[in-house]
Amino acid sequence: EVQVLESGGDLVQPGGSLRLSCAASGFTFSDYVMNWVRQAPGKGLEWVSLIDNSGGATYYAASVKGRFTISRDNSKNTLYLQMNSLRDEDTAIYYCAKDLQLDVWGQGTTVTVSS
Amino acid sequence: DVVMTQSPLSLPVTLGQPASISCRSSQSLIHSNGDTYLNWFQQRPGQSPRRLMYRVSNRDSGVPDRFSGSGSGTDFTLTISRVEAEDVGVYYCMQGTHWPRSFGQGTKVEIK
Repeated sequence: EVQVLESGGDLVQPGGSLRLSCAASGFTFSDYVMNWVRQAPGKGLEWVSLIDNSGGATYYAASVKGRFTISRDNSKNTLYLQMNSLRDEDTAIYYCAKDLQLDVWGQGTTVTVSS
Repeated sequence: DVVMTQSPLSLPVTLGQPASISCRSSQSLIHSNGDTYLNWFQQRPGQSPRRLMYRVSNRDSGVPDRFSGSGSGTDFTLTISRVEAEDVGVYYCMQGTHWPRSFGQGTKVEIK
């Protein structure tokens, strides 16, 4: 079964850092583009970042560019999101999603930025 | 950036009746390769989003055939031919043609 499973969410103070992980299984991870999408409490979906299958190309939403870094380790079938300089408005459930057109989603991991 | 605008934002429906959600983009979603990357997602209460439709009108595996997608260019529609109780949730359109990717605001479908 094709699955992605996020982890690493936590409570962090404003200005702090956190790294999220997304473990993939059931498909050839290195063949696919991967995304991060977030959802603030009670709000809609916001696309955050994408990385190509080799890790050579990355894209970011303006709201996170310069603060967040997407990366992947194809030998470990794992996607990452390094989040620095966190703000209150980064509080959200963070989902990873497979492929250019987001065909498979995980259950999400919760990031809370608060003092 | 491409703005995706859904309407209505709230849709009370009667079981067994049809329902339609409109999604409009601020730019054409026709890619240079000729494809149109407009996807629909369903988020049931307390669950993660699930993709229902891709490239306007292609149903994902396991999606009931009462769901259909149509449209072109900048105007798109998701139609449920006969609403069932399990269809309650929020529906989002998303464009996958331009950077950055963008979602509509979401349409909440509920039973009257």
